[in-house]
Amino acid sequence: DTEVTQTPKHLVMGMTNKKSLKCEQHMGHRAMYWYKQKAKKPPELMFVYSYEKLSINESVPSRFSPECPNSSLLNLHLHALQPEDSALYLCASSQVPRGAINEKLFFGSGTQLSVL
Amino acid sequence: QQPVQSPQAVILREGEDAVINCSSSKALYSVHWYRQKHGEAPVFLMILLKGGEQKGHDKISASFNEKKQQSSLYLTASQLSYSGTYFCGMITQGGSEKLVFGKGTKLTVNP
Repeated sequence: DTEVTQTPKHLVMGMTNKKSLKCEQHMGHRAMYWYKQKAKKPPELMFVYSYEKLSINESVPSRFSPECPNSSLLNLHLHALQPEDSALYLCASSQVPRGAINEKLFFGSGTQLSVL
Repeated sequence: QQPVQSPQAVILREGEDAVINCSSSKALYSVHWYRQKHGEAPVFLMILLKGGEQKGHDKISASFNEKKQQSSLYLTASQLSYSGTYFCGMITQGGSEKLVFGKGTKLTVNP
């Protein structure tokens, strides 16, 4: 199984809602990532978890709250988002943390988020 | 710092060749290439670690000039399936060893 599975595929939420994005992999990878991708732009790194611990936070606003309950699961909790947060949110995993310069990222298909 | 990627877009006929370039203002540890089709996840193509190293993936290959801090992706005899947006990613020396993607090159292969 070489898949990274993300749910839901689409999400529409209001600015006062609380929602969560879920990501799952069963490849035994110990690094997991959240990326944000706006239309026609490259993916931008948000968070990195290394061995279930948060190792990188790219100065992401606190309305985004990541969680890594175990080595296979990664969540992104959303609260009080703004319309400009509308984007494709991609999860990725790799065998070892990104500090290893020759690591291959496996991406999920993403959650397309719309904030109204 | 974001790599500079060119061209922004390329339109080819099936069977034609293309080159996509990526450069950095800083010394590099590695260069990574990904392809993303519309509505899909980015897919890993290859990583280049050493200066002058060339790697291949089917009819897609890449080079890495460490001295010039540049990489090029070569698509030979393009197929319809090559269509998509190609991103180079670079990990620069002296930083936090994070992968930063260029703005992407949209490749369209027509019959």
